[in-house]
Amino acid sequence: GEDVEQSLFLSVREGDSSVINCTYTDSSSTYLYWYKQEPGAGLQLLTYIFSNMDMKQDQRLTVLLNKKDKHLSLRIADTQTGDSAIYFCAEITYKYIFGTGTRLKVLA
Amino acid sequence: GAGVSQSPSNKVTEKGKDVELRCDPISGHTALYWYRQSLGQGLEFLIYFQGNSAPDKSGLPSDRFSAERTGGSVSTLTIQRTQQEDSAVYLCASSLEGGRNTGELFFGEGSRLTVL
Repeated sequence: GEDVEQSLFLSVREGDSSVINCTYTDSSSTYLYWYKQEPGAGLQLLTYIFSNMDMKQDQRLTVLLNKKDKHLSLRIADTQTGDSAIYFCAEITYKYIFGTGTRLKVLA
Repeated sequence: GAGVSQSPSNKVTEKGKDVELRCDPISGHTALYWYRQSLGQGLEFLIYFQGNSAPDKSGLPSDRFSAERTGGSVSTLTIQRTQQEDSAVYLCASSLEGGRNTGELFFGEGSRLTVL
């Protein structure tokens, strides 16, 4: 099927790390993406990883890719209240397919 | 334009009426997508345009929904005889290329449709 799956909610305390998980479907996806949606706004690209990589680090963000299990994760270090948003993973077949989104709530 | 522009930003309509939602993509972007986001739900793919043609219309929920794109630019999503379950935020996105070469998607802020 075409379902890209994520857990719906995650709650963390400010300063802790957040880990958002995603299971995708197409092993031939060239790139895998993470998008962020703040309240009342459209989605914005947060980061991406090329499929021949296992890990990508970008400041507070770490993306891990396990191609064998088709599992993608996003780790946010030192989570801040401004990180509260919905996070979507996405894969490209010939079109973008988004996951269900994970709503991250950061508690002060 | 500087970004993807959608109009109207909010639309309240009565059940049974037709609505048109407009998307103005970033100039030069060949690929254009429509998604629907219902309250508390993820993004539901509706349709994808490459230029003026739509290689994939598989996400349109019913024959009440149609979309077109003219001049490789502006796209209109039309919902006929609206139903309450059509209430959602309709998001448009564009990218420089389409298909497997699609890179970053640039999203508009969405059109919030409420059907009473």
